Amino acid sequence: QKEVEQDPGPLSVPEGAIVSLNCTYSNSAFQYFMWYRQYSRKGPELLMYTYSSGNKEDGRFTAQVDKSSKYISLFIRDSQPSDSATYLCAMSETGGGNKLTFGTGTQLKVEL
Amino acid sequence: SQTIHQWPATLVQPVGSPLSLECTVEGTSNPNLYWYRQAAGRGLQLLFYSVGIGQISSEVPQNLSASRPQDRQFILSSKKLLLSDSGFYLCAWSDRGTFGYTFGSGTRLTVV
Repeated sequence: QKEVEQDPGPLSVPEGAIVSLNCTYSNSAFQYFMWYRQYSRKGPELLMYTYSSGNKEDGRFTAQVDKSSKYISLFIRDSQPSDSATYLCAMSETGGGNKLTFGTGTQLKVEL
Repeated sequence: SQTIHQWPATLVQPVGSPLSLECTVEGTSNPNLYWYRQAAGRGLQLLFYSVGIGQISSEVPQNLSASRPQDRQFILSSKKLLLSDSGFYLCAWSDRGTFGYTFGSGTRLTVV
């Protein structure tokens, strides 16, 4: 079993839809959770991060962590074609630059 | 501000030829440095990481090696490339003052 599981997709949605991207994990020591967005042929860029359980909102994006279920989600409201990318979850036991464990990424396509 | 440079962007090399990919970071001192390979549908595979000059940890035994001759320089090398070395190579850095990793723009290597 992989430490972090993520549905690879591809996920195709119409413009304006609400998108839900998810990861599950097995290591209960994970405390820091991140979402990266990767456009085609580019390096991943950090989109959002959260510590421990709870929600964090940034514009159209909401990150949610449920440590009791070992489940994290990224919600995208009013999705746009420019949101089309691969989204990778990542997590670590400690902050401050320590090694991350990544999911395999979910490919998202938002269509006009 | 910190920046990361990775080159070349694309590379086509014959089987058996050597490889040298370079990554440099600006605007920080003593960063943690990472080399990842990304294959389609398989996510990010950590190849090497370094916490200081001359300190290299290998995550996956293979046909590649890494060196850190200077604090902010990380080099990925191979003496003889294999077809299986083809992929998208990403350099990344982190430090105690940052959250998560910052990735370079990547090198797409095709071994023919």
